[in-house]
Amino acid sequence: KAGVTQTPRYLIKTRGQQVTLSCSPISGHRSVSWYQQTPGQGLQFLFEYFSETQRNKGNFPGRFSGRQFSNSRSEMNVSTLELGDSALYLCASSPPGQSYEQYFGPGTRLTVT
Amino acid sequence: AQSVSQHNHHVILSEAASLELGCNYSYGGTVNLFWYVQYPGQHLQLLLKYFSGDPLVKGIKGFEAEFIKSKFSFNLRKPSVQWSDTAEYFCAVTLNGGATNKLIFGTGTLLAVQP
Repeated sequence: KAGVTQTPRYLIKTRGQQVTLSCSPISGHRSVSWYQQTPGQGLQFLFEYFSETQRNKGNFPGRFSGRQFSNSRSEMNVSTLELGDSALYLCASSPPGQSYEQYFGPGTRLTVT
Repeated sequence: AQSVSQHNHHVILSEAASLELGCNYSYGGTVNLFWYVQYPGQHLQLLLKYFSGDPLVKGIKGFEAEFIKSKFSFNLRKPSVQWSDTAEYFCAVTLNGGATNKLIFGTGTLLAVQP
């Protein structure tokens, strides 16, 4: 089975712009979660989607949003980018049932200048 | 609020040395516990997990961890490390029985194994 894929892998944006990141989960996985990884804050939970519904949300400003499509693919959007949004954004998918296991993608490295 | 603490931020060992990385969590309910590893240039991978049962769990690559409920701890161990174990290690927790897979991570421990 193919793993979690994320596109693009690298992105450079300017302050004030917006960005959309994409995540394709492992086939059959319906739950997708997003995390932000920075050297200072570590790995922080952004949000989780299940069957196109946001199931949980982390403590991030409203500039961060996401959605999930009927095929379980997910996107996250960050509007009005700030320098502090520079990070590795990780997507993870989980198999059906309450296994609690998450399989991570390689991440999208976002640099805001 | 739930939190996970990893007390060792940076560990340097020689090959064949034994490893123990500390992890403590704060939550009064039932939790699921994980150790993830991030090798240089690679994505996060699951090393091992604990949901219930035997508190001593074995994972991949010779790693094991022991859940001690009274100490809210889930320390990672390996009897003899190899150069290829150089990586960053993250302890994480989710709520057992909660309708979410949200992982709360510790700050990570960077392990450098010298040949």
